[in-house]
Amino acid sequence: KQEVTQIPAALSVPEGENLVLNCSFTDSAIYNLQWFRQDPGKGLTSLLLIQSSQREQTSGRLNASLDKSSGRSTLYIAASQPGDSATYLCAVRLLNSGGSNYKLTFGKGTLLTVNP
Amino acid sequence: EPEVTQTPSHQVTQMGQEVILRCVPISNHLYFYWYRQILGQKVEFLVSFYNNEISEKSEIFDDQFSVERPDGSNFTLKIRSTKLEDSAMYFCASRPGGHFSPLHFGNGTRLTVT
Repeated sequence: KQEVTQIPAALSVPEGENLVLNCSFTDSAIYNLQWFRQDPGKGLTSLLLIQSSQREQTSGRLNASLDKSSGRSTLYIAASQPGDSATYLCAVRLLNSGGSNYKLTFGKGTLLTVNP
Repeated sequence: EPEVTQTPSHQVTQMGQEVILRCVPISNHLYFYWYRQILGQKVEFLVSFYNNEISEKSEIFDDQFSVERPDGSNFTLKIRSTKLEDSAMYFCASRPGGHFSPLHFGNGTRLTVT
């Protein structure tokens, strides 16, 4: 059974700092990995999607990497801002979850606080 | 940018009552999903729906749950007889066709069963 773990559970940094959030998964037979942002009481906003054949994806100040063989992904946030404060979730889609089946397995998230 | 919309944002119901959670997926999307998040826990998959039928469901999605796409725009989740442990945030998601498209989630409905 796929298990997704995110470390640390919470992180507090001063504004302007670069930071890395970690995600690990136990079954490397994944289709893709997706990073989400969740604001308190809100839905999930997709940040980056990395296909299993890719090593990284970038969007603005965000860079996500994927090392499928070791079961790890990182989300790098450059020059953090107070508006980046949120919970960041990692989710994997298993390789046998094809077509209409899009069963994501989520980690518990990292709660990020960026202090002004 | 098109969004997945969910109503209501918060629903309070008594144990044993039926509830219907409503979702309007993005208009050209073909695949629809429900996930839930119990407070303080991980987001969990409930069910996927395509071509007017369930394509996969989790062990959570028992006979008390059902989904329906009654018309061309709405996608509903019904819980027949709610239990205290059904209290959670329920998220609807959709995606267009193609293997590589990401899921787009709504803002969720917070269900509180008293």
